[in-house]
Amino acid sequence: DFQMTQSPSSVSASVGDRVTITCRASQDITSSLAWYQKTPGKAPKLLVYGASILQSGVPSRFTGSGFGTYFTLTISGLQPEDFASYYCQQTHIFPYTFGQGTKLEIK
Amino acid sequence: EVQLVESGGGLARPGRSLILSCEASGFKFENYAMHWVRQAPGKGLEWVAGISWGSGNIAYGDSVKGRFTISRDNTRNSLYLHMNRLRTEDTALYYCAKPRTATPGVLDFWGQGVLVTVSS
Repeated sequence: DFQMTQSPSSVSASVGDRVTITCRASQDITSSLAWYQKTPGKAPKLLVYGASILQSGVPSRFTGSGFGTYFTLTISGLQPEDFASYYCQQTHIFPYTFGQGTKLEIK
Repeated sequence: EVQLVESGGGLARPGRSLILSCEASGFKFENYAMHWVRQAPGKGLEWVAGISWGSGNIAYGDSVKGRFTISRDNTRNSLYLHMNRLRTEDTALYYCAKPRTATPGVLDFWGQGVLVTVSS
């Protein structure tokens, strides 16, 4: 199975900051990588797929990049609603494993 | 409007069984693969199982393989998860999720989830 490793596991930042989360795959997954946002009490929300394609309706301050085994999600100009947990997921092959998550907290 | 409504959760004893259902509406269910994803209390998202549109391709996460069975009934627009030999570590909020059209693993719509608690 493909293992997905995210870092950091948690990060503190302020409104207006820029934050980057990384995700590494144990094997080459080309661009088959998605990012989700999870806030307590809500269902997960798709942010990015195909490593860099922004899902419709997602603000442009979210940027995904990467290919192969190394990927990043960058949030520029943090807004209060962005403080949540973020998960990467490989969508290359079954089982579609998630990373362990990154919790973005307010400093 | 796309809707996914999960049901069937509750309290179960270790070793017992439970069946989750997900009723879909607002899209052509028979054309889409479908998935179950769970989140245990205080833990991250875990992909549980997936099934292709015609049930010909099915897969499971390692932690549930051999114990859980995913199935679907396209005539009823419904997805199921048969959970056998339940363990305390199966306690979680279980989500039914629909993928994007051309990317069967990218989950663009999720239900609100159904809670399963496994405890003696």
